[in-house]
Amino acid sequence: DVKVTQSSRYLVKRTGEKVFLECVQDMDHENMFWYRQDPGLGLRLIYFSYDVKMKEKGDIPEGYSVSREKKERFSLILESASTNQTSMYLCASNSGTGSNQPQHFGDGTRLSIL
Amino acid sequence: RKEVEQDPGPFNVPEGATVAFNCTYSNSASQSFFWYRQDCRKEPKLLMSVYSSGNEDGRFTAQLNRASQYISLLIRDSKLSDSATYLCVVAPSGYALNFGKGTSLLVTP
Repeated sequence: DVKVTQSSRYLVKRTGEKVFLECVQDMDHENMFWYRQDPGLGLRLIYFSYDVKMKEKGDIPEGYSVSREKKERFSLILESASTNQTSMYLCASNSGTGSNQPQHFGDGTRLSIL
Repeated sequence: RKEVEQDPGPFNVPEGATVAFNCTYSNSASQSFFWYRQDCRKEPKLLMSVYSSGNEDGRFTAQLNRASQYISLLIRDSKLSDSATYLCVVAPSGYALNFGKGTSLLVTP
């Protein structure tokens, strides 16, 4: 069974802090994704990575960066947290090239920026 | 036009009822299709992939109509545990998935 693990279920940070969200998958998947989910807006893709050290912008990359130094780990970084980044953050992974394989999600991190 | 559109509901149905959700997509070049289920404050979980010929998994049946660009999900003999939000997911070429905003289902005793 695919396991995608996010480092925190709940996180509270202050405006201006640098915030790291970590995600690890144990299925040797090539592709990893970071989404945020907000009421009324659905899931929106922030960044994804199809290989180690590779990254691609999604629909809403502004204010975020990512790091993929190892295949199993994909980190999302909020360089200087702002209140509009309060959200549910979801990490996902899948295998193969392209999107023909379903993505498997972690439990999510509820991030509050005060 | 939104990439993936779903009726947000909520659909309130009694136990044992049959309920169907539709979803339309705008990109005719879309390759893959999925239904995910998301419980309140939890992560989305894959319910089933949707194949061109249609497919069934127990009480759940998914259909794809490429000509009209919609997919559907039929749930027979609804259970209380089916209460959730159902996300329609469409994959164009490339890596990203396009998620609908979900249809909320509440099954009542």
